[in-house]
Amino acid sequence: NAGVMQNPRHLVRRRGQEARLRCSPMKGHSHVYWYRQLPEEGLKFMVYLQKENIIDESGMPKERFSAEFPKEGPSILRIQQVVRGDSAAYFCASSRAGGFNQPQHFGDGTRLSIL
Amino acid sequence: KNEVEQSPQNLTAQEGEFITINCSYSVGISALHWLQQHPGGGIVSLFMLSSGKKKHGRLIATINIQEKHSSLHITASHPRDSAVYICAVRSGETSGSRLTFGEGTQLTVNP
Repeated sequence: NAGVMQNPRHLVRRRGQEARLRCSPMKGHSHVYWYRQLPEEGLKFMVYLQKENIIDESGMPKERFSAEFPKEGPSILRIQQVVRGDSAAYFCASSRAGGFNQPQHFGDGTRLSIL
Repeated sequence: KNEVEQSPQNLTAQEGEFITINCSYSVGISALHWLQQHPGGGIVSLFMLSSGKKKHGRLIATINIQEKHSSLHITASHPRDSAVYICAVRSGETSGSRLTFGEGTQLTVNP
């Protein structure tokens, strides 16, 4: 499978729990982007990472949210102490490099539901 | 006002019709993307363009940098084209390689 892989596809958490969303980029891609799509809203940028580095996190909420992209393994978006307002679809995209002419390839997303 | 505006918000067409979706943006950009999102599904990148026109099958995308406007055309539309079409821009300013998205156009093609 050469595409961007996100798991799980659906995740249900109770308020106060932690949510971990995983993204494995396409083979050969070292740049990862996380986007959030709230119900009835458009996609919004959250964070842009390169291997072991956060390049731009200007779209991340100031508290409870963190992201990493370790040297080995998938990128992880972590949400601590989830609240109902975190319910959304979270999409990951990857690119081979970071230039403006690099296409981004999207995963199928993780649908997070908070009870 | 959003940096990226799409019109129409909703569009219903009959199979075979020619469809146009518009995107206007207010910032300087280095590239513009058209994306397709099916209900409950993932996002597929249709086009990335920074000038002129691109064609892939029944889909055509154009961009006018001076007017800050892009259009996505679908010729001979089919019910399987029903999806949300999203315009996204990559700014050439300090925002690096992230995308800024329009609200999307919900397209329904009836048989």
